[in-house]
This record gives sequence, C-alpha cells and structure tokens, in this order.
Amino acid sequence: DQQVKQNSPSLSVQEGRISILNCDYTNSMFDYFLWYKKYPAEGPTFLISISSIKDKNEDGRFTVFLNKSAKHLSLHIVPSQPGDSAVYFCAASLRGGADGLTFGKGTHLIIQP
Amino acid sequence: EPEVTQTPSHQVTQMGQEVILRCVPISNHLYFYWYRQILGQKVEFLVSFYNNEISEKSEIFDDQFSVERPDGSNFTLKIRSTKLEDSAMYFCASSEWTGDYEQYFGPGTRLTVT
Repeated sequence: DQQVKQNSPSLSVQEGRISILNCDYTNSMFDYFLWYKKYPAEGPTFLISISSIKDKNEDGRFTVFLNKSAKHLSLHIVPSQPGDSAVYFCAASLRGGADGLTFGKGTHLIIQP
Repeated sequence: EPEVTQTPSHQVTQMGQEVILRCVPISNHLYFYWYRQILGQKVEFLVSFYNNEISEKSEIFDDQFSVERPDGSNFTLKIRSTKLEDSAMYFCASSEWTGDYEQYFGPGTRLTVT
C-alpha cells in the first residue's frame, strides 16, 4: 500500500544546476508534508515542510511546491552542491504531522562536479 | 543545536531474546516516535507517544513491542521476544507542540537478530 510514492530511485544533477525531486501521494486526508535528507548510517534529517493550506514554502536553497489537485509535491534545490548528494525522502502525515509519518521509498540524489 | 540521541548504535541479539532500545528526545519536545527501516525498504512508522501514553500505533506494533518513558528524559522501545524479521534500523524521533510538527530523528540503532 504505497500511499506516498517517489518514482525516481535516483537522480543525477550537475553541480550548480537545479535538482527537482518529485513525490506523489494517494491519501487526500494527508495535510502535512515533509522532506528529509539521509546519509548512510545516519538518521533522516529534516529539511523543509509544507502544510496543505499552502502551495509553496521556501527556505534558503530549498523550495517545496504542493499541488493538491494533482496530489503531487516537489522539492527544488538550487543551486545544487556536492554536499546535497544523499537520499531524499518525502513524507506525509495527518493532523499537522503529530501522527506517524508515511514515507516514500526515497530518491538518491547524486550531484556531479 | 539540540539533537535526538539513541543507544546503542548497534545491538546484536539472539532470536527469542528481549531487547531494549533507548532514546533521549530533544528536551522541550512533547511527542515521541519510533520508526524502523528494514534494509532496502522504506522507513515505517511504529508508534507515537504523548502525555505518557501511546497516541497512535501501526499494525507492525503488535504485542511484542512496548514503549515507555521511564523518567523525564529517556524513551524506550522494548521487543519482548525478537524474531529474525525484527532486524532493522530503529529510529527514534521527537517533535514539539507548535501546531506544525516537524519530527527530528536520532541516528538510529541497528538491531541484528541472529
């Protein structure tokens, strides 16, 4: 039961360019969405979140866009840096995130010099 | 910067044994969570805990599992009789009550059941 889907297992982007990571969800009751970054042998690191009442949230180089009608969100990283190479997880929640998060399978982002 | 800590980083146990995984959430946080990630699979929610009781649990969190906040700082996950399929990374997370709940994760405990 994949309520949160990240259809690209990996993505390769040149340093300095824009990285766009995509996520789709099926449960229309989700009202809070988060992006996490994960390095091997570490826990997920929170990056940015967005409430379902918004369509965009920006924090430095990271911007998350939410299209509720399409049940789609995306994470934009610009400009991409070598340290951005990691696995990125999309997660969704009910009740503003107080409930357990439902994660996607992740996208491995590789930033090439 | 405050962070969630977990001990041990790696636990090896024999099938049928009890294990306790420990977490120290961020000090002003009120919600606590356990997740697991089986190798090659996605991160899965186990249980959330608020105000000294379970707030929500997934179908994975059966009678073999229990959680406790034994004092003001620790949050533990107990697996009573481990099975081979319990081998996974176990992550603790916490969040504060602000209306929006970003969950902050610890580094994880790798549990290996032999």
